[in-house]
Amino acid sequence: GDSVTQMEGPVTLSEEAFLTINCTYTATGYPSLFWYVQYPGEGLQLLLKATKADDKGSNKGFEATYRKETTSFHLEKGSVQVSDSAVYFCALRTSGNTPLVFGKGTRLSVIA
Amino acid sequence: DVKVTQSSRYLVKRTGEKVFLECVQDMDHENMFWYRQDPGLGLRLIYFSYDVKMKEKGDIPEGYSVSREKKERFSLILESASTNQTSMYLCASRPTGERTGELFFGEGSRLTVL
Repeated sequence: GDSVTQMEGPVTLSEEAFLTINCTYTATGYPSLFWYVQYPGEGLQLLLKATKADDKGSNKGFEATYRKETTSFHLEKGSVQVSDSAVYFCALRTSGNTPLVFGKGTRLSVIA
Repeated sequence: DVKVTQSSRYLVKRTGEKVFLECVQDMDHENMFWYRQDPGLGLRLIYFSYDVKMKEKGDIPEGYSVSREKKERFSLILESASTNQTSMYLCASRPTGERTGELFFGEGSRLTVL
């Protein structure tokens, strides 16, 4: 079945460091790919998305590129801030009205 | 803005009690979902619904049931709560036909079963 694997956390970085959170997927067909973020005490919210190969999603300084050849959708940010501390979830959706499939989440802590 | 509201942020119940978790969305979305979130396990789908009075089992439906009598409301029911159902429960909604599939989440209900 469809699945998402993302790097285990927690990840701890200093402010202004470069961030990469790896995400790879297994899916039939051509999925849409997503990154969701969960700030402390809140529900998940969409961070960025990409719907076809080579698309780049971006938002709030975060970027991820849909790489069909490596089945990956790694999340990157050039300079993290303390306010980026959160749990990040990679997810996919294949076709029709199927539910999203989520990875297990990666907790990021940014220290000043 | 889409708003998904979960009725209780924190609940404490005793083993064997019947528990209702309510979720209401205000954007006329056809699809609604219940997930539970546990450390190290991520989000796991319990049940979902494509329309009023319709329901589908997700990955972990055992011990749960759902009710969708009105389009805007999707209730999760624990018939007889057990300690292994202590978790964070997240409700989400999405319109049909929205190609990219963005989900809108509530803030979550943290349930503790003693």
